[in-house]
Amino acid sequence: AQSVTQLDSQVPVFEEAPVELRCNYSSSVSVYLFWYVQYPNQGLQLLLKYLSGSTLVKGINGFEAEFNKSQTSFHLRKPSVHISDTAEYFCAVYYTGKLIFGQGTTLQVKP
Amino acid sequence: DGGITQSPKYLFRKEGQNVTLSCEQNLNHDAMYWYRQDPGQGLRLIYYSQIVNDFQKGDIAEGYSVSREKKESFPLTVTSAQKNPTAFYLCASSPASGGLGDEQFFGPGTRLTVL
Repeated sequence: AQSVTQLDSQVPVFEEAPVELRCNYSSSVSVYLFWYVQYPNQGLQLLLKYLSGSTLVKGINGFEAEFNKSQTSFHLRKPSVHISDTAEYFCAVYYTGKLIFGQGTTLQVKP
Repeated sequence: DGGITQSPKYLFRKEGQNVTLSCEQNLNHDAMYWYRQDPGQGLRLIYYSQIVNDFQKGDIAEGYSVSREKKESFPLTVTSAQKNPTAFYLCASSPASGGLGDEQFFGPGTRLTVL
């Protein structure tokens, strides 16, 4: 069975600094990977997804992620964060018709 | 506008009462899902349905029930058998059952508090 591990439960960062949120998944023959964002008391919104092709995936709001098959990772990055990026971020892997989610990482952007 | 609606946004119930959470989508999606979210535990799958009149248990189905009589609707009932029902519940849908890599679209969620 697939599993997803988000290595940091909370990531504090100052505004305009770069950030990386880490995600590792258990290996599989084919993987389809997703990052979602959740603002307080709201549903999840898709940031980006990797299905195939280029390992560097660009998403909304200036986020990007890199698929690394050898390290079974799909880390999310942004070169300069804003206060409005404060939210919870979820990594997920597609497996047998379902999405398997990580535990989530809370990004706290400080002024 | 196409999307997923969940109602109500906040719901309070007394212990021992069954309660039904509504989920409606007008995206013409085949598949629908119910998740439970607790702090620090991410999203856990309760039930999912890939086609009308059919549904499967997820990882934490005990104490919950669902129905899928219409393509656009997938209500979740939290029964009195659910030992710890207070949580944030999220409904989602995706375009095609078994579609590889289909993203899921989420509703705004219902926060259930059992007193």
